[in-house]
Amino acid sequence: KQEVTQIPAALSVPEGENLVLNCSFTDSAIYNLQWFRQDPGKGLTSLLLIQSSQREQTSGRLNASLDKSSGRSTLYIAASQPGDSATYLCAVRKGGSQGNLIFGKGTKLSVKP
Amino acid sequence: NAGVTQTPKFQVLKTGQSMTLQCAQDMNHEYMSWYRQDPGMGLRLIHYSVGAGITDQGEVPNGYNVSRSTTEDFPLRLLSAAPSQTSVYFCASSQRGADTQYFGPGTRLTVL
Repeated sequence: KQEVTQIPAALSVPEGENLVLNCSFTDSAIYNLQWFRQDPGKGLTSLLLIQSSQREQTSGRLNASLDKSSGRSTLYIAASQPGDSATYLCAVRKGGSQGNLIFGKGTKLSVKP
Repeated sequence: NAGVTQTPKFQVLKTGQSMTLQCAQDMNHEYMSWYRQDPGMGLRLIHYSVGAGITDQGEVPNGYNVSRSTTEDFPLRLLSAAPSQTSVYFCASSQRGADTQYFGPGTRLTVL
C-alpha cells in the first residue's frame, strides 16, 4: 500500500531563509507527484506537478525535485517570505493515468518577519 | 471562470439526517473527485468520476453516494449522517485524471 510521509510536520523560519520540505513515498511505481499549498480554512492550490519521467520542476521561487527510485521528493523555497506561511502537501498519483492521489499529512510552514 | 465551486460552506447535521454536498466546475473537466480531510490525516479519496455517467469508489466510500449526470456537476450524498463523517470535504477536478488537480474551497460538515 502506498504511503506518503512528510517531514517535518511543522517548520518555523525567519524571513529570507532558503528552506527544503521533504516528501517520501513507499512505492516507486508512481505516475506523477504534485505539491499543493493550503491556507487555513481554504482549499488546496496546486504549486508544481512532476511527471515520473522528470527530475524537477520550477515555478518562480519554488523548485521541486523527484527521485523516483529512492521514493523522495523535495520542495525548495528560495528567499522565504511571510506570505509563504501555509501548509504544504505532497501527493503521489498511483500508477496509471487514472490512478488516485495519495496525500501526505503536510508540513505547516511559518515564516517570521 | 469560477473554477470549482462548493456549497454549502458550512453545515451542521444531526445523526441520521441525509444531505447533499454540491460541487460544480466550469472548466469542462472530465475528471472530478471528492476528498475528506480530517485533523492529523492526509486527504482521503471518497469517490471519483472520469466522465459523465461514470463513477467509482475511492479509499473511504462507505456512507456516501455520488452520481455524474453532467460534466459540470458532481454531488456527494450522505445517506444517514454519522459523527464519524464530521470532516472538511473537498471537491476537485482536472482535464484528465493525471493532470493538475483544481480544488474547491471546501465544505465544513459537523454531525452531532
